[in-house]
Amino acid sequence: GDSVTQMEGPVTLSEEAFLTINCTYTATGYPSLFWYVQYPGEGLQLLLKATKADDKGSNKGFEATYRKETTSFHLEKGSVQVSDSAVYFCALVGSSNTGKLIFGQGTTLQVKP
Amino acid sequence: GAVVSQHPSWVICKSGTSVKIECRSLDFQATTMFWYRQFPKQSLMLMATSNEGSKATYEQGVEKDKFLINHASLTLSTLTVTSAHPEDSSFYICSATGQSSYNSPLHFGNGTRLTVT
Repeated sequence: GDSVTQMEGPVTLSEEAFLTINCTYTATGYPSLFWYVQYPGEGLQLLLKATKADDKGSNKGFEATYRKETTSFHLEKGSVQVSDSAVYFCALVGSSNTGKLIFGQGTTLQVKP
Repeated sequence: GAVVSQHPSWVICKSGTSVKIECRSLDFQATTMFWYRQFPKQSLMLMATSNEGSKATYEQGVEKDKFLINHASLTLSTLTVTSAHPEDSSFYICSATGQSSYNSPLHFGNGTRLTVT
């Protein structure tokens, strides 16, 4: 079945460092790909998404490119801030599953001043 | 933007009692709602999918008699944890969508932290 694999955390960075969180997926057809963020004590918020190959999703300085050839959707940010500390989830919706999100295991990011 | 309200945000109950969690779509009609469970430091596990006016579809391994889901209207779905036990302590999150496309946006509630003592 469909699945998502993320790099294990926690990822600890200093402020203004470059961030990459790897995400790869397994799915049939052409899934839509998402990154969600969960701040401490809160629910999930959509960070960005891409719905077809080579699409780049971007928001708040974060970006991710849908790479079908490598089945990847890595999250990047050029300069992280302390306020970016959160848990990041990569997810997909398969082309045959209406709205049903499959999540990766989540990656905790800690940014230190 | 679209908002999903989940209530309560946290609840503590005694073992053996039942707890109801509400999920409301505030400014759109949610044709489909999803209930997820999140264990500490783990990902979200889909428990069930509910469509308005029909029975929920449960994922494998989820006890339908223990986790009762009702989606009686286009703006409200409820999850009732019956005869709760300490192992049911978890973070429960709902999400809702108003469209039937795989590309449709999902809106999440802020979650409910359930602690069973």
